[in-house]
Amino acid sequence: GESVGLHLPTLSVQEGDNSIINCAYSNSASDYFIWYKQESGKGPQFIIDIRSNMDKRQGQRVTVLLNKTVKHLSLQIAATQPGDSAVYFCAEIGITGGGNKLTFGTGTQLKVEL
Amino acid sequence: KAGVTQTPRYLIKTRGQQVTLSCSPISGHRSVSWYQQTPGQGLQFLFEYFSETQRNKGNFPGRFSGRQFSNSRSEMNVSTLELGDSALYLCASRTGTGAYGYTFGSGTRLTVV
Repeated sequence: GESVGLHLPTLSVQEGDNSIINCAYSNSASDYFIWYKQESGKGPQFIIDIRSNMDKRQGQRVTVLLNKTVKHLSLQIAATQPGDSAVYFCAEIGITGGGNKLTFGTGTQLKVEL
Repeated sequence: KAGVTQTPRYLIKTRGQQVTLSCSPISGHRSVSWYQQTPGQGLQFLFEYFSETQRNKGNFPGRFSGRQFSNSRSEMNVSTLELGDSALYLCASRTGTGAYGYTFGSGTRLTVV
């Protein structure tokens, strides 16, 4: 499969446990944040997003928390399953030059142990 | 509906050559962005196109260029390839009208030898 990072931090969790993946972002002016999941051989897949005027948003088994004071984002996955094993990226959206771009964090490898 | 399609899936080129990668966005999406993914640098923004116009450009040398056609399909070109250009090149499309719903393709794995 594709190698998405040789020096990624790794989080190992037992199946059924909750996972928390953290991310620090850089631009205090960013308005929008997204979490992506990338499996081997695939492109990033959207998980959940949050606007800067919110501090929490919940989806199906996932929750994103935003702390603008310390520019910190976290993704919580409830009842982690083997299919959750992947690399997780946070991304912030910046608006520059009339367009948008995603600025990605370095990523975290999540390994789910049976 | 069909997702974002990138071709070719894999490519091997020699240093000094040039390469063209293709991206077909989701039907109705008018914005296409390109990203380079490497183990050392992670995911980095290359450029964004909307309605055939480049709206935003990342910090890459002029050897990296792109274009978008009237049907929203996009191509990126890398000239005078270097070993360091070996990477997974990802394309993402979105409607482009205020929505941030980026959908990524599976990428083109470029290896420069």
